[in-house]
Amino acid sequence: EIVLTQSPGTLSLSPGERATLSCRASQSVSSSYLAWYQQKPGQAPRLLIYAASSRATGIPDRFSGSGSGTDFTLTISRLEPEDFAVYYCQQYDTAPRTFGQGTKVEIK
Amino acid sequence: QVQLVQSGAEVKKPGASVKVSCKASGYTFTSYTIHWLRQAPGQRLEWMGWISAGNGNTKYSQKFQGRVTLTRDTSASTAYMELSSLRSEDTAVFFCARDGTGSANDFWGQGTLVTVSS
Repeated sequence: EIVLTQSPGTLSLSPGERATLSCRASQSVSSSYLAWYQQKPGQAPRLLIYAASSRATGIPDRFSGSGSGTDFTLTISRLEPEDFAVYYCQQYDTAPRTFGQGTKVEIK
Repeated sequence: QVQLVQSGAEVKKPGASVKVSCKASGYTFTSYTIHWLRQAPGQRLEWMGWISAGNGNTKYSQKFQGRVTLTRDTSASTAYMELSSLRSEDTAVFFCARDGTGSANDFWGQGTLVTVSS
């Protein structure tokens, strides 16, 4: 199965700063099948980005995704207070669908 | 609006089975596939399998093969996940999620906590 490794584990930033999250795959993933989710405590994950760079409905344009092959990035251009959460990447190119271990974006 | 509403928390003894429901509304149930995922405390999300709500076809993760059964009731717009031979390591929150936008999981249930304890 494809193993996804996210870095860093924790990102300590202030509101207004830029966040850059990385997701590396153990083998190549089609860009059409890489997603990013946001999860807050006690809530279900929320789809942010699909097909590596397409924003899901209702997602603000401060969220952007990029990358291909084995290296993908989620960028939050200016952190808002509601953006402090855990972020997961997911590949759905090859079964089983797998997730990264998550990056926690916390308030510095 | 699209909603997936799951059944409530469960406490089970080791060796027992649990069945979690996921009721869909706001869209044509039979037009989409439903996935089931597990999130153990402090762990990453794990994909368990999917069921086509239209024809009932299923696909299971090898990790859960033989212990998980996915079914659906189209008249009730509800999908079900049954996990058998429960052990303490199965203590987790279980989610259903729709296979939607670009085949990503675009809508999720609120999660169901299953606690396995003697």
